[in-house]
Amino acid sequence: GENVEQHPSTLSVQEGDSAVIKCTYSDSASNYFPWYKQELGKRPQLIIDIRSNVGEKKDQRIAVTLNKTAKHFSLHITETQPEDSAVYFCAASSGGGADGLTFGKGTHLIIQP
Amino acid sequence: DSGVTQTPKHLITATGQRVTLRCSPRSGDLSVYWYQQSLDQGLQFLIQYYNGEERAKGNILERFSAQQFPDLHSELNLSSLELGDSALYFCASSVRLAAYNEQFFGPGTRLTVL
Repeated sequence: GENVEQHPSTLSVQEGDSAVIKCTYSDSASNYFPWYKQELGKRPQLIIDIRSNVGEKKDQRIAVTLNKTAKHFSLHITETQPEDSAVYFCAASSGGGADGLTFGKGTHLIIQP
Repeated sequence: DSGVTQTPKHLITATGQRVTLRCSPRSGDLSVYWYQQSLDQGLQFLIQYYNGEERAKGNILERFSAQQFPDLHSELNLSSLELGDSALYFCASSVRLAAYNEQFFGPGTRLTVL
């Protein structure tokens, strides 16, 4: 089955700086890669996703890049703000998200004022 | 609010017992997924139902079972509970089995097994 590795497990950045979280996956059939943000005690919420036929996608301060050859994808958050503090999860799916998602272990992002 | 509802919010029970968790998907969503979140295992996919039929299984134990009813709500049954079953259980839903579906998560049920 699919295996998703996520690094780092904790990331502390100064407010206003950029944050990068990296994930690798094992199943070359995976074709959908969502990123979820989870605040303490809350549900995971989708913040951005990318499909295997796209190399990069941007939404305001958030961007995701995908390298299918190397089987890795990354989340980039620019101009970080205090409300960006949360746990971020990457995930992969071979069914376009229409099947179960395989999640990474999560990255605890801490924004230092 | 994602539109996915889960009950109860919290559940405290003893080892060996059986519990049922309930999920109502977003209006119009046919697919329901169950996930377990624990500190050691992270977020793990358990099982998926689509329009009443089981579609995919993940790391679901034999002591656990699920079903989806004609009104599309779903129940996750956990039996012979062990301490290690203590976790946050999420239900998610998506609209259909098309290419590239966003899964919307419910607020979760926190299960504590004493």
